[in-house]
Amino acid sequence: DAKTTQPNSMESNEEEPVHLPCNHSTISGTDYIHWYRQLPSQGPEYVIHGLTSNVNNRMASLAIAEDRKSSTLILHRATLRDAAVYYCILRSDGYNNNDMRFGAGTRLTVKP
Amino acid sequence: DAGVIQSPRHEVTEMGQEVTLRCKPISGHNSLFWYRQTMMRGLELLIYFNNNVPIDDSGMPEDRFSAKMPNASFSTLKIQPSEPRDSAVYFCASSPGTSGGALDTQYFGPGTRLTVL
Repeated sequence: DAKTTQPNSMESNEEEPVHLPCNHSTISGTDYIHWYRQLPSQGPEYVIHGLTSNVNNRMASLAIAEDRKSSTLILHRATLRDAAVYYCILRSDGYNNNDMRFGAGTRLTVKP
Repeated sequence: DAGVIQSPRHEVTEMGQEVTLRCKPISGHNSLFWYRQTMMRGLELLIYFNNNVPIDDSGMPEDRFSAKMPNASFSTLKIQPSEPRDSAVYFCASSPGTSGGALDTQYFGPGTRLTVL
C-alpha cells in the first residue's frame, strides 16, 4: 500500500485557518485521498476525501497537488472542538478494498 | 440513527480470562471492521467482514483472537485467554459496503477500553 507522511503535531490559534499537510509520493492512479480525525476519547470520524480535484464540504477543504504527491486539509476557522488527531489515508478503489491503514497522524492543538 | 454500538465500554479482567467484545453495526451497512488502538502501535485493522463473511483477518495477532459475525446486526471479538499485552481500545466500524472500497465511508463506534491485569 502507498504510504503517507504527516507531521507529528501542529498548533493553531482559535478562529484562524489551519493547513494540515500530507505527503504521498508513491500514490497510484486509483488511490483516493481520505482524511479522518479522532477527537479525544472517541472513534475516528470521516472528514473528507478526493481523487484529483480540490474538494469542499461543511467540515473542511481538501487541496490536492497537481501531481497528486501531496495534499493539504484546510480547516478554515479552527475551533477548540477541532483539536484532534488527523489521519491522511490512501484508499485504492475496488469492491473488496474496504480496509483502511491508519498511520500516526497529526495531533492538532488549538489554543484559545 | 444510533450509530455503531459497542459493549461493554470498559472491561477490566485478569490474565487468562476470556473476553468478549460486542458490536452492533449501523442498520443496512454491509461491511464491518474491528480495529485495535494502542499508544505503541496506533490504530490497527484486525479483521473485516463483507456481508457477514470474513474477508481479511491478516491483522488478527494470534490464535487467541477470534471474530464472528453470525448475522448482519451483530459481531463479536473474542480473546481467549487474555494477556496484559492485549490491553487497548478496540473499535468497531461499519460501512455501507456498496460503492466500492475507496468511496465507502467507515463509521466508528465509541470503542471498548480493555484492561487485562
